[in-house]
Amino acid sequence: EIVLTQSPATLSLSPGERATLSCRASQSVSSYLAWYQQKPGQAPRLLIYDASNRATGIPARFSGSGSGTDFTLTISSLEPEDFAVYFCQQRRSWPITFGQGTRLEIK
Amino acid sequence: EVQLVESGGGLVNPGGSLTLSCAASEFTFSDYTMNWVRQAPGKGLEWVSSITSSTTYIYYADSVKGRFTISRDNAQNSLYLQMNSLRADDTAVYYCARAAIAVAGTGPFDYWGRGTLVTVSS
Repeated sequence: EIVLTQSPATLSLSPGERATLSCRASQSVSSYLAWYQQKPGQAPRLLIYDASNRATGIPARFSGSGSGTDFTLTISSLEPEDFAVYFCQQRRSWPITFGQGTRLEIK
Repeated sequence: EVQLVESGGGLVNPGGSLTLSCAASEFTFSDYTMNWVRQAPGKGLEWVSSITSSTTYIYYADSVKGRFTISRDNAQNSLYLQMNSLRADDTAVYYCARAAIAVAGTGPFDYWGRGTLVTVSS
């Protein structure tokens, strides 16, 4: 099983700042990595797929990078609605696995 | 707009059974791999099971293998999860999710339902 480790667990920033979230895989997932955003009481929403492709309707301030075992989600300038929990997910091999999440909170 | 609506959750005794349903609309259901993902209260996301479009391939997490059964009815645009021998650690919100069509493997989960809560407790 591929283990995904996200860091930091919690990130405290202010609106307008840049956010950098990390996801590290225990073995290569090639580019088969996605990022999801989840707000309280809501289902997850796909943000980024295949490491760097924005999903439909996702603002350009969200970007993803990386390949192999190290990945980054960057939010260039935080908007109030961006404060949420973010999960990474790999689909390189079964079982599909998720990271434990990074909580992005308002400082 | 793609819609996925889960139902069937509720309170069940340990050792009991429950069947979840997911009604899909506004897309060609029979073209897509479908999935169940769960989230225990205050915890992260855990993939549970996947079923390919024509039921050729079915996958389960080790934590549910032998206890849960995923199935689909393409004529009824519906996905199911039969859950037996339920345990307290199965308590979670269960989400139905569509996997985007991908060149290789199972695609990312591009649409999710709102989830249905399953509580296993006596």
